[in-house]
Formats: sequence, C-alpha cells, structure tokens
Amino acid sequence: DAKTTQPPSMDCAEGRAANLPCNHSTISGNEYVYWYRQIHSQGPQYIIHGLKNNETNEMASLIITEDRKSSTLILPHATLRDTAVYYCIVRVMEYGNKLVFGAGTILRVKS
Amino acid sequence: DVKVTQSSRYLVKRTGEKVFLECVQDMDHENMFWYRQDPGLGLRLIYFSYDVKMKEKGDIPEGYSVSREKKERFSLILESASTNQTSMYLCASSLYSPRGRWEQYFGPGTRLTVT
Repeated sequence: DAKTTQPPSMDCAEGRAANLPCNHSTISGNEYVYWYRQIHSQGPQYIIHGLKNNETNEMASLIITEDRKSSTLILPHATLRDTAVYYCIVRVMEYGNKLVFGAGTILRVKS
Repeated sequence: DVKVTQSSRYLVKRTGEKVFLECVQDMDHENMFWYRQDPGLGLRLIYFSYDVKMKEKGDIPEGYSVSREKKERFSLILESASTNQTSMYLCASSLYSPRGRWEQYFGPGTRLTVT
C-alpha cells in the first residue's frame, strides 16, 4: 500500500478556503485516494474519494495531480466546525480490504 | 442515515476482568471493524469481519478476540483486561462497492479505562 505524507498541522481563517495537501508518490494505478476527518470526541467521518479525476461533493473538493503522486483536499469556506484531524488514505479497494489511518493533519479554523 | 451504535460511551473495568464491547449497525453492511485510538498512534485496526462468523486479524489483535454471530452485530472481547488496553475503541461498518466507494461509518466510540 502506498504511504502518505501530510503536514502535522495547519491553520485557516474562518470563511477562507482550506487546502490540505497529501503526498503519495508511490501510489499504484489501482489505488484510490480517500479523505476522512475526525472531529474531537467523535468517530472518523468519510469526506470524499477519487481515483484520477478531480471530485467534488457537498463537503469538499479533491484535486489529484495528473501523475497522481499528490492530492489536495479543499474545504471552500471553512467554518469553526471544520476544526478536526484530516486523514489522507491510499488504498486498493478489494473485497475484505480495510483502511489504514496515519497521523493526519490537524486543521484549526480560527475566527 | 446509517447508524453505528456502541454499547457504552465510557467504561471503567479492573485488571483481569473480561470485557465485552458491542457494536451494532443498521444498514445491512457486510464489513465491520474494530479500531483503537491512542494519542500519537492514530487509529489502529484490531480485527475486522467481512461476513457473519468470519473474522480477520488486523494490525494489533493480541489480547483481543471478536465475535460476529449476526450480520448487524460485531463484538470485541478483552479476555483479561490489562492497563495497556486503556484506550478509545471505535467500531465501523462498510458496504463493499466494486466502484470504489469504500465509505466506513464509525460509531461514537467507547472510552475504556482499565484500572
């Protein structure tokens, strides 16, 4: 499985876009990029995933570089409630497979 | 909405006690998982199950066992609790999708303290 590298922490002003980077230079062709977040005292929550195209949903956008060696999660208008640990996970999706969570990035949204 | 519930939010047990942590999901998911989360170590997978009566060891199965007698219920058992099992325990479930949507739904967690 590809290893991911994320910055340990980031700050963002409320109302601004939060851009969270993730490096996965050893990603293979059949591995997906997943993003989860964990708000304090809660279980992790799925945000978005992608293979090679950019993706957008009601929560965020995922930009994957053309070589797929890195990606960026974008929260377009961060709020205080977006303060959380954000996990970037790269995984082959096979039956019975499981997600492996690294240390993630602590995002602090400040007013 | 998918709901994953865990039997207790907080639990305090004594060393040597047998401890049962229960997890129930209501969306007919095939896959269920038990993680523990500790400061500085992130989430670590203990066991998972991809079908009734099936189980697979995760990364840190030592000192734990699991039971999946019904599809909706996945139990984590600490046969003889020890202080190093003090942790936050998180249960999750997911539906396998060939299109790659591997969304795991997590429960609220059980904070277990072993004294």
